[in-house]
Amino acid sequence: AQSVAQPEDQVNVAEGNPLTVKCTYSVSGNPYLFWYVQYPNRGLQFLLKYITGDNLVKGSYGFEAEFNKSQTSFHLKKPSALVSDSALYFCAVRDHQARAGSYQLTFGKGTKLSVIP
Amino acid sequence: DTAVSQTPKYLVTQMGNDKSIKCEQNLGHDTMYWYKQDSKKFLKIMFSYNNKELIINETVPNRFSPKSPDKAHLNLHINSLELGDSAVYFCASSRGGRTNEKLFFGSGTQLSVL
Repeated sequence: AQSVAQPEDQVNVAEGNPLTVKCTYSVSGNPYLFWYVQYPNRGLQFLLKYITGDNLVKGSYGFEAEFNKSQTSFHLKKPSALVSDSALYFCAVRDHQARAGSYQLTFGKGTKLSVIP
Repeated sequence: DTAVSQTPKYLVTQMGNDKSIKCEQNLGHDTMYWYKQDSKKFLKIMFSYNNKELIINETVPNRFSPKSPDKAHLNLHINSLELGDSAVYFCASSRGGRTNEKLFFGSGTQLSVL
């Protein structure tokens, strides 16, 4: 079964510093990986995805993620954190097999990012 | 206009009651979902519908019954509510097919069972 792991429940970073939110994956076949962000009292929003191609994927709000096949990782990064980046971040992996022509996502448990002014 | 809207935003009810949560999407998507987020923020899929057809029904008690009257709507009805049903329920939609990985979420319904 496909799965992702987010080893950190919480990440604290000072405003202006680079941030990294970690994600590792376990899949059979090629991984299709995603990051979503959840702001307080809101639904999840898509940030970026890796399907194939360049290992560095750029997404919304200045975020990027680095796909590393040898380490089975897909860490989320941003060069300079903003206080407004404080939120819950979810890594996700697409199921290997479609059901009725539709693929589903399995989410990690989430990492709370706090950017300190 | 809100892409995926669900109502109500908050739902407080007594154990044993029956309640419904409604979801509508105006994105023209083929696939809709219900997710449950527990108090530890863990997100788990409950149901998935593709063109009004149920395609995923995870290990959810049969007290939970989704209903999709048309492609744009997916409602969740819950019978005999229990304390453990307290959570935030998210509706989501996607285009379906091979490019359906980008999900659009509603803002959630916080259910509190007393």
